[in-house]
Amino acid sequence: QQQVKQSPQSLIVQKGGISIINCAYENTAFDYFPWYQQFPGKGPALLIAIRPDVSEKKEGRFTISFNKSAKQFSLHIMDSQPGDSATYFCAASGRWGKLQFGAGTQVVVTP
Amino acid sequence: DGGITQSPKYLFRKEGQNVTLSCEQNLNHDAMYWYRQDPGQGLRLIYYSQIVNDFQKGDIAEGYSVSREKKESFPLTVTSAQKNPTAFYLCASKGASGGGMPDTQYFGPGTRLTVL
Repeated sequence: QQQVKQSPQSLIVQKGGISIINCAYENTAFDYFPWYQQFPGKGPALLIAIRPDVSEKKEGRFTISFNKSAKQFSLHIMDSQPGDSATYFCAASGRWGKLQFGAGTQVVVTP
Repeated sequence: DGGITQSPKYLFRKEGQNVTLSCEQNLNHDAMYWYRQDPGQGLRLIYYSQIVNDFQKGDIAEGYSVSREKKESFPLTVTSAQKNPTAFYLCASKGASGGGMPDTQYFGPGTRLTVL
């Protein structure tokens, strides 16, 4: 069973709009939550990550919001650009370091 | 120029054949991982190695084998016992991510395996 549930499976957003991807987890031992960006035919690349001691982290146009009590976290892509069109994966890990990945969200930004 | 290399980029295999996928890193990372990616299923862990000469099974190890004789290299063999091997295979190594965050995984460019 998937330990990290990700939604939506895909989304289409207009250039300049906001893309929002949501993830939920069950294992309270998770203490590290990275997001990866993957372009077709390439390996995933670390985009941004958060620890549960903060509720929000922003890097440029990308923001992670984290709700520890709800066991949910989300990625917001502000001012979405066509170059942001990619598949995004959330992930979570505990002290043992094995990452559990969500199923991925394909984001398409239209001009 | 540090990084993770995987070869070949594309690989075609006939049913019943074993094939070996290469993964090399020059990042001086101790831990290395192999994942399989199928459409709509995210990344699933096949094997991982925390240190040379040691490795553990991941979630879907059946039909696969690995070795870790050198720190830089972690080859994956897809055996004929793997019933549905057509997939995109990703190798990763784990190292410092900076900013006070835990070590994180860095991925290679992947190998697409197709069984004919």
